[in-house]
Amino acid sequence: EPEVTQTPSHQVTQMGQEVILRCVPISNHLYFYWYRQILGQKVEFLVSFYNNEISEKSEIFDDQFSVERPDGSNFTLKIRSTKLEDSAMYFCASRGQGVVNSPLHFGNGTRLTVT
Amino acid sequence: DAKTTQPTSMDCAEGRAANLPCNHSTISGNEYVYWYRQIHSQGPQYIIHGLKNNETNEMASLIITEDRKSSTLILPHATLRDTAVYYCIVRGNNAGNMLTFGGGTRLMVKP
Repeated sequence: EPEVTQTPSHQVTQMGQEVILRCVPISNHLYFYWYRQILGQKVEFLVSFYNNEISEKSEIFDDQFSVERPDGSNFTLKIRSTKLEDSAMYFCASRGQGVVNSPLHFGNGTRLTVT
Repeated sequence: DAKTTQPTSMDCAEGRAANLPCNHSTISGNEYVYWYRQIHSQGPQYIIHGLKNNETNEMASLIITEDRKSSTLILPHATLRDTAVYYCIVRGNNAGNMLTFGGGTRLMVKP
């Protein structure tokens, strides 16, 4: 069964450094999402992306964050200057286009630790 | 999207059916009910979704009341591996709509 894959599984970085989290969505999916989950808290929406542009974003997704689909297979989340509070699990998700109620499929996440 | 209410936690004996309730009394006509689960810190896993008819797949059954104000996810024969947090989410029919996760129900399957 096709799945969303995320790399790396764990990323450790120092405060102020830039990080790029990578995702390979399910082939032929056209809607892409990033979510995050701080330890012990709810899964929170960050951003959705369609047709090479952001379609929705939350208040969390400020100027420190950016997303990109650099080629036909990858979808990336960049955090420009990491803060301690950016430590969390980051989940990528994708959804097909065929049916508007089609479900999101999530990857297993990247654990980001900012020290 | 309509808000959902779920019990914080539930227990179930291994091999028995697990019935997880969800209230969504403000659901509107074009909103679907989705169920996901999260095992430990893995990514949310899609289980099933429906609009108004009952649905069944290889993982579970979804029973939606006739007035659509509540639903029940049924795991027919729960195993220890079904221990997880289960999320009931209501989402509109717009193409880009994201999912909004609440606190979910922590299901503990016990031997």
